[in-house]
Amino acid sequence: GDSVTQMEGPVTLSEEAFLTINCTYTATGYPSLFWYVQYPGEGLQLLLKATKADDKGSNKGFEATYRKETTSFHLEKGSVQVSDSAVYFCALSVSNQGGKLIFGQGTELSVKP
Amino acid sequence: DAGITQSPRHKVTETGTPVTLRCHQTENHRYMYWYRQDPGHGLRLIHYSYGVKDTDKGEVSDGYSVSRSKTEDFLLTLESATSSQTSVYFCAISERAAENIQYFGAGTRLSVL
Repeated sequence: GDSVTQMEGPVTLSEEAFLTINCTYTATGYPSLFWYVQYPGEGLQLLLKATKADDKGSNKGFEATYRKETTSFHLEKGSVQVSDSAVYFCALSVSNQGGKLIFGQGTELSVKP
Repeated sequence: DAGITQSPRHKVTETGTPVTLRCHQTENHRYMYWYRQDPGHGLRLIHYSYGVKDTDKGEVSDGYSVSRSKTEDFLLTLESATSSQTSVYFCAISERAAENIQYFGAGTRLSVL
């Protein structure tokens, strides 16, 4: 079945460091790919998305490129801030399945001053 | 912010008792979802709805039922709560399945003792 695998956390970085969170997927159809972010005590918020191969999603300095050949959607940011500390979830959806989202297990990011 | 209200926000109950969680939306979105969040598992889909009285099972539906009698309300019921259902429950809504951007509520923390 469809699945998403993320790198395990927690990830601890110093402010202004470069961030990469790896995400790979398995899907039988043509999924859309998403990154969601969860700040402490809150629900998930969409961070960025890509709907087809080679699309690049970007938001708030974060980027991810939909790589069909490597079935990956890695999240990157050039310079993290303390306010980026959160849990990040990679997810996929296949529209012919009612738009259900399948999530990775989440990666906790902690950014130190 | 998307108009999604989950109630209650916190609940403690005893094994064997029935529990109903409510999700209310003001966005008139067609699709509604219930997920549970557990450490190491990310979010897993319990049930979803693609219209009034139209629902389907997700990957972890055993022990849960849902109802949707109005567009704005989606109820999740634990007929007889068990300790394994201790979790944080999130409701999400989506306007359409294609590209499927889901908007999440703030969550309900349920403890079954």
